[in-house]
Amino acid sequence: GNSVTQMEGPVTLSEEAFLTINCTYTATGYPSLFWYVQYPGEGLQLLLKATKADDKGSNKGFEATYRKETTSFHLEKGSVQVSDSAVYFCALSDRAGGSYIPTFGRGTSLIVHP
Amino acid sequence: DAGVIQSPRHEVTEMGQEVTLRCKPISGHNSLFWYRQTMMRGLELLIYFNNNVPIDDSGMPEDRFSAKMPNASFSTLKIQPSEPRDSAVYFCASNLWGGGDTEAFFGQGTRLTVV
Repeated sequence: GNSVTQMEGPVTLSEEAFLTINCTYTATGYPSLFWYVQYPGEGLQLLLKATKADDKGSNKGFEATYRKETTSFHLEKGSVQVSDSAVYFCALSDRAGGSYIPTFGRGTSLIVHP
Repeated sequence: DAGVIQSPRHEVTEMGQEVTLRCKPISGHNSLFWYRQTMMRGLELLIYFNNNVPIDDSGMPEDRFSAKMPNASFSTLKIQPSEPRDSAVYFCASNLWGGGDTEAFFGQGTRLTVV
């Protein structure tokens, strides 16, 4: 079956530091890949996505590249801010039973200190 | 559109009581998902519907859990009887399937506490 593995947190950084959150996946088909972000007390919201190999998704300074050869979709940001503190979820969407079912990793908590 | 709407936002109930969580998906979406989030297990898919029909409920933990979707704009997740280990945040999400890049839109969740 499909699965997503992401690095455990929490990840603690100082403001303006470089961020990497690793994500690898297992899928039987050709999934689309996503990063979602969850701020305290809120639901998940889409941060970025990539639909095919070598695509790069980007948003708000975050980037991730769909690497089919390594089945990875690592999230990066060059300079984090305190406001980036949240939980980040890597996910894939693959077709099953006529629907596109999102499968999520466990989430990685990011804490950014001033 | 107002997004996916869940109610209530918080629910505190006593063990043994029935709990009903509600969800209104985004208008026009034809897939609806119920997830449970806990520290121990992360985000678990409980059940999903396609065009109001339950497709896969293999994630429902026990027979105490049931879900319905009587029409395209409303779904419920019921726990009867509730137990303390059911305490979690329950999310509803919806999307429009038809392309593999379709994202899921989440509600703000219902935080359930069973005492």
